[in-house]
Amino acid sequence: DAGITQSPRHKVTETGTPVTLRCHQTENHRYMYWYRQDPGHGLRLIHYSYGVKDTDKGEVSDGYSVSRSKTEDFLLTLESATSSQTSVYFCAIGTPDPSGYNEQFFGPGTRLTVL
Amino acid sequence: DQQVKQNSPSLSVQEGRISILNCDYTNSMFDYFLWYKKYPAEGPTFLISISSIKDKNEDGRFTVFLNKSAKHLSLHIVPSQPGDSAVYFCAAAGGGGGNKLTFGTGTQLKVEL
Repeated sequence: DAGITQSPRHKVTETGTPVTLRCHQTENHRYMYWYRQDPGHGLRLIHYSYGVKDTDKGEVSDGYSVSRSKTEDFLLTLESATSSQTSVYFCAIGTPDPSGYNEQFFGPGTRLTVL
Repeated sequence: DQQVKQNSPSLSVQEGRISILNCDYTNSMFDYFLWYKKYPAEGPTFLISISSIKDKNEDGRFTVFLNKSAKHLSLHIVPSQPGDSAVYFCAAAGGGGGNKLTFGTGTQLKVEL
């Protein structure tokens, strides 16, 4: 158990509404990540954070924003949800070793449906 | 452009036999590779990793092989057990900071009794 939780676990919303997903860790990892999983695409990186207030874009960042005001929390916001953002969202945490790499530990996921 | 490819969407193996899952990549900057296992309604779980300076890494029943010249890696599970039935993702990192992972599309492994 990597000490990582996501909330909510399930959410149904309507097109055009704002949505915020929360990732919370108790492991004090420096890096936090948001991925989305879709059939035929595997997992794709949306945004990541390498420290408090330090974030960067991933492969599929359009339509998403993130914030990290504390080490333990990483928020993903859909400013105006669209049906194409219906997906399962996973948060991950990790701390790269001196080589720059490390395994990432994943949360249980949030299933988001945009009607 | 799929930089990490798992060309077999599914694989069925008998209990006790070897499972071999394959993964190909196109980005020569990748130099760290991982395998994750995922059960339905759960997050991916890390299984094993390998750095590009090695060609093999073992952990119990799991062995990962890396062929850099072919840009190919494989995961061997011996012996396969029913509890190994899951979706397996390979992932790669490299060529930039942040330890960002690029995932394949996954292979559904079914281990039959």
